[in-house]
Amino acid sequence: GQQVMQIPQYQHVQEGEDFTTYCNSSTTLSNIQWYKQRPGGHPVFLIQLVKSGEVKKQKRLTFQFGEAKKNSSLHITATQTTDVGTYFCAGRPGSNTGKLIFGQGTTLQVKP
Amino acid sequence: ETGVTQSPTHLIKTRGQQVTLRCSSQSGHNTVSWYQQALGQGPQFIFQYYREEENGRGNFPPRFSGLQFPNYSSELNVNALELDDSALYLCASSKGQGASGANVLTFGAGSRLTVL
Repeated sequence: GQQVMQIPQYQHVQEGEDFTTYCNSSTTLSNIQWYKQRPGGHPVFLIQLVKSGEVKKQKRLTFQFGEAKKNSSLHITATQTTDVGTYFCAGRPGSNTGKLIFGQGTTLQVKP
Repeated sequence: ETGVTQSPTHLIKTRGQQVTLRCSSQSGHNTVSWYQQALGQGPQFIFQYYREEENGRGNFPPRFSGLQFPNYSSELNVNALELDDSALYLCASSKGQGASGANVLTFGAGSRLTVL
């Protein structure tokens, strides 16, 4: 079946270091979304990418959607303790479906 | 703007019992999706409701069923509970149907179900 794989599963960084999580789909996606879940919380929407090769930035966060629309990445520059949480990518496999397939997430720990 | 609210927040059931979880969608949203999130995993799509009808279903057995009401609120029912049903059940509301209108999900805080 359709799968979205995310690596790494965990990442520990020193505050100020950069962080990247990668997302790969077994099938072409119509779009991809990224969510952040704080410990004990619920997923909160960060961004959506729709176009092949799209790059979007939100302050220190940079999101990319691959040319083949099967992979994506989230890069955080100069991490802060407030970046702690689990980052999920979620792909939409078709243009006429409400189903989102979530990756297993990357949990980021930031040491002050 | 009221967000997505879910009830109950926590509940404990025994194997074989039935459970109903409730969700009120965010104001202005007409679509509700339900996800199951096991500990340490990503949310797994159960199903979506639009205009009171099921609009897409994930790989869950028929004992998982749902309803959407005219005010767009929703229920998730699980019959014959199994130990593996222990998880956080997340409701998410959105605008539109399918991929139209971006369909960005607004999640509730979830209902944590423990099956003993």
